[in-house]
Amino acid sequence: QKEVEQDPGPLSVPEGAIVSLNCTYSNSAFQYFMWYRQYSRKGPELLMYTYSSGNKEDGRFTAQVDKSSKYISLFIRDSQPSDSATYLCAMRRTGTASKLTFGTGTRLQVTL
Amino acid sequence: GAVVSQHPSRVICKSGTSVKIECRSLDFQATTMFWYRQFPKKSLMLMATSNEGSKATYEQGVEKDKFLINHASLTLSTLTVTSAHPEDSSFYICSAATGTPGRDTQYFGPGTRLTVL
Repeated sequence: QKEVEQDPGPLSVPEGAIVSLNCTYSNSAFQYFMWYRQYSRKGPELLMYTYSSGNKEDGRFTAQVDKSSKYISLFIRDSQPSDSATYLCAMRRTGTASKLTFGTGTRLQVTL
Repeated sequence: GAVVSQHPSRVICKSGTSVKIECRSLDFQATTMFWYRQFPKKSLMLMATSNEGSKATYEQGVEKDKFLINHASLTLSTLTVTSAHPEDSSFYICSAATGTPGRDTQYFGPGTRLTVL
């Protein structure tokens, strides 16, 4: 079993829809949770960074962490074609510059 | 802020040659940098962790003599693929960690596409 599970998609939604992206994990030691967006042939771009359980909002993006269920989500409101990309969840334990564990990424396509 | 650059963005080389990829943190100092490899439509695979002034720590299965890493300063790490072969063709991405140790965040470079003929 992988430490982090993420549906690879592809997920296709119409412009303006609310998108829900999710990851589950098995290691209860993970404390820091991130979402990265990666466009084709580019490096990942950090979107959201959260610590422990709770919600964090930044513009059209909301990140949720439920440590009791070992489940994290990224919501995108009013999705745009420019949101079409692969979204990677990542997480890490507390420690000095410890490694990130990534999900496989979900490919999102927002259509006109 | 938190910009990471990589050079070159793309390189094509003949089998048997060595290729060096540079990773720079442009507006912050990074005591730790990471090197990843990514295959098409796959997630990132961590190759090694590079700390300034010390030897890199390689992940299991990564040949340290083949993938030489040098973290010479707080803003520069290099990955050298020695005696490259076609199976080394891949997308190589670096990241640099910044922030309070223990709570730091990785910022990624744009990646380098290596093609070995």
